[in-house]
Amino acid sequence: QVQLVESGGGVVQPGRSLRLSCAASGFTFSHFGLHWVRQAPGKGLEWVAVTWYDGSNTSYAESVQGRFIISRHNSENTLSLQMNSLRTEDTAVYYCARGKYSNFVYYFDSWGQGTLVTVSS
Amino acid sequence: DIQMTQSPSSLSASVGDGVTITCRASQSISTYLNWYQHKPGKAPKLLIYAASSFQRGVPSRFSGSGSGTDFTLTISSLQPEDFATYYCQQSYSTPWTFGQGTKVEIK
Repeated sequence: QVQLVESGGGVVQPGRSLRLSCAASGFTFSHFGLHWVRQAPGKGLEWVAVTWYDGSNTSYAESVQGRFIISRHNSENTLSLQMNSLRTEDTAVYYCARGKYSNFVYYFDSWGQGTLVTVSS
Repeated sequence: DIQMTQSPSSLSASVGDGVTITCRASQSISTYLNWYQHKPGKAPKLLIYAASSFQRGVPSRFSGSGSGTDFTLTISSLQPEDFATYYCQQSYSTPWTFGQGTKVEIK
């Protein structure tokens, strides 16, 4: 079955960098858009970034544009999120999610259990 | 960006009760609306896509309806495992956006 497992979270100081990874299995990795979605403490879900199929096209939320870089390694079934210039407001649980189209509607049909990133001095 | 507003933000209900959660979009999104269930420490779970289509394996007590700007998620008879936070999400345009969530608690 589809499995997504995040890793790489931890405590980091403001202004520093951190790299998250997501290991995927159970599906043809290169056939799907892959996303990062986050949830800050006490808040709702916020979409962060997407990388499409071969990784040549990416898109970001305005809140992370220019600081975060999403990438994928189709040969290894791995998704990454390089987070630079971290801010306290980036503190959140970060989920990787698979996107899928059906009936012309796009949705996140599989999610990992998340990895916690805490930005604090 | 399209804003998604859910109501109520939280509700208390008993096992066996029927529950309705509302989601309103800041502009028309046709039926590009999805619903998720999220429990603490767990992966979010897709329940409904395209406003009313069931994700495989989701119990039939969950149903979705609506189009345009107004949508509802209905749980016909709450079960103990349904106590969770529910989110709507629009996929009409990027950035994809979620409602703020509705927490369903045990009365």
